[in-house]
Amino acid sequence: GEQVEQLPSILRVQEGSSASINCTYENSASNYFPWYKQEPGENPKLIIDIRSNMERKQTQGLIVLLDKKAKRFSLHITDTQPGDSAMYFCAASPPHYGNEKITFGAGTKLTIKP
Amino acid sequence: EAAVTQSPRSKVAVTGGKVTLSCHQTNNHDYMYWYRQDTGHGLRLIHYSYVADSTEKGDIPDGYKASRPSQENFSLILELASLSQTAVYFCASSDAGWGGNYAEQFFGPGTRLTVL
Repeated sequence: GEQVEQLPSILRVQEGSSASINCTYENSASNYFPWYKQEPGENPKLIIDIRSNMERKQTQGLIVLLDKKAKRFSLHITDTQPGDSAMYFCAASPPHYGNEKITFGAGTKLTIKP
Repeated sequence: EAAVTQSPRSKVAVTGGKVTLSCHQTNNHDYMYWYRQDTGHGLRLIHYSYVADSTEKGDIPDGYKASRPSQENFSLILELASLSQTAVYFCASSDAGWGGNYAEQFFGPGTRLTVL
């Protein structure tokens, strides 16, 4: 199995600044780490993911870092905008399985202050 | 874009009553999932299915049954609803993802269930 801890649970940042969310996992064999964004009243949507053969991935203002030795991965949102206000979930999945073994973190509520 | 719909969108049920939550997808995906979302716990997998007429237990299946009568439809059944089952329930679908071949999950809009 897998356990995923996500911090912080609540994050408030000024518009234009960066926001960082950190997750740790227990199973050193986990090799897939997706991030989902859930806007208020909406369904979760995949925004970025990283596999264990990478240390860094970037797309559209989002950066994901993976430190396999520390069993830690993080999401960094640069130049935050009001539309970034949402719940963010990290997740981890062990090898040899598919989505049925993905474990989600408890979530981070990100609020962008104008 | 992928389409997953859920019904009802909200429901109030009485303790001990039967509740059925329905999910329909038009993505032609093999896999479907039921999650519950509680504050402080994120998303937890209840049941999933990778083929019609077959369901599998997820991480928290106790108190829930599932039914997959067709590729498009997946239901979650609470035979005897309890207060602890008050939560938001999400259905999701994805392409086949096994052996490390992960596939993006597409979530429905959620059903807010309140058990009184």
